[in-house]
Amino acid sequence: AQRVTQPEKLLSVFKGAPVELKCNYSYSGSPELFWYVQYSRQRLQLLLRHISRESIKGFTADLNKGETSFHLKKPFAQEEDSAMYYCALSGYTGGFKTIFGAGTRLFVKA
Amino acid sequence: GAVVSQHPSWVICKSGTSVKIECRSLDFQATTMFWYRQFPKQSLMLMATSNEGSKATYEQGVEKDKFLINHASLTLSTLTVTSAHPEDSSFYICSARGGLAGGGNEQFFGPGTRLTVL
Repeated sequence: AQRVTQPEKLLSVFKGAPVELKCNYSYSGSPELFWYVQYSRQRLQLLLRHISRESIKGFTADLNKGETSFHLKKPFAQEEDSAMYYCALSGYTGGFKTIFGAGTRLFVKA
Repeated sequence: GAVVSQHPSWVICKSGTSVKIECRSLDFQATTMFWYRQFPKQSLMLMATSNEGSKATYEQGVEKDKFLINHASLTLSTLTVTSAHPEDSSFYICSARGGLAGGGNEQFFGPGTRLTVL
């Protein structure tokens, strides 16, 4: 069964501290993994996708197929990073579908 | 990036009435549109997937007669909540995918529609 697990509902760190938002997935096939972010009072928007292997706003995420993980990392958190982060998995199972994790709220303290 | 709009942004209706929510892709053709429901402080729950010109595919537990989805064109999908009841009150979000060079499977999200049923 397809599943995306984000174990932490809330993650609170101090400004300048490293941050890691965990994401594990379950999928029988080759999924595409994404991180979406939702800032306060804004719509959901794409942050990263695993196929791009890029760094956006200092965030990176590496797909680890052995551990079925796609953790989001940033070495030095900023206050403006405070938002809701969703890990998502897209794949073709009876049609294209994207499934979202429960989300992790990141709070960066000054 | 591509823009997806939703209308209305919020709606209040009486129990028993029907409400239609529109989702439009403004600058690209969306081969696939998705409808999600989000409860307060919870994640997005996929309700259905619609492809232009064909019937929507509903997720398990979502009543297709309750939530009517029409994807009449490559830029418009509508969700109609029929005979709405207070338990249908929620935040409904649409997203669109497709038609972009190099866009891959990225989805572009609308701003959401807050439905309150009295």
